[in-house]
Amino acid sequence: EDQVTQSPEALRLQEGESSSLNCSYTVSGLRGLFWYRQDPGKGPEFLFTLYSAGEEKEKERLKATLTKKESFLHITAPKPEDSATYLCAVHPAGGTSYGKLTFGQGTILTVHP
Amino acid sequence: DAGITQSPRHKVTETGTPVTLRCHQTENHRYMYWYRQDPGHGLRLIHYSYGVKDTDKGEVSDGYSVSRSKTEDFLLTLESATSSQTSVYFCAIRGGTTNEKLFFGSGTQLSVL
Repeated sequence: EDQVTQSPEALRLQEGESSSLNCSYTVSGLRGLFWYRQDPGKGPEFLFTLYSAGEEKEKERLKATLTKKESFLHITAPKPEDSATYLCAVHPAGGTSYGKLTFGQGTILTVHP
Repeated sequence: DAGITQSPRHKVTETGTPVTLRCHQTENHRYMYWYRQDPGHGLRLIHYSYGVKDTDKGEVSDGYSVSRSKTEDFLLTLESATSSQTSVYFCAIRGGTTNEKLFFGSGTQLSVL
């Protein structure tokens, strides 16, 4: 069974204080690992897809990295507008997966000015 | 904006009543999904569809049924709502340049009293 575990559950940072969010996964073959951002009252918004160990992707203050067992979302010099819930999800390999993603529980990030 | 509309946005109903949630897409995507989101559980897949009249169960399908009679509409029905089905329901479509990203609607907040 595919499993995704995110840590910490909640993270409070001061503006400018860099940190990382962790996503550990267990899957029988990884087709892709996804990061989403979710604001209160809204649906998740796509951030990144990572496909293989060693891959990195960046967007503004965010950088996602991938190893064979986990992914990190690094936040550099965060701003209050980066406050949101960050979700990690895996897409297992295999022809019958039909694009179904398994999500972690998310990390609630709060950035104080 | 992936052209996904969920209706209603909010609904309050009583235990034992039938409820239907609608997901409408405007971009002719083949794959559609229904997820529920609950504190402590993250997003969990209820049902998905890989074409008109082609649907299958996800990990939390008990008490739910779906129908897809045309490409643009995917309906989720709670035949007899229970309090445990109080949740936020998200519809998603599979798209993007590599057709592997999920794009989510804004969600339906359902309360079963």
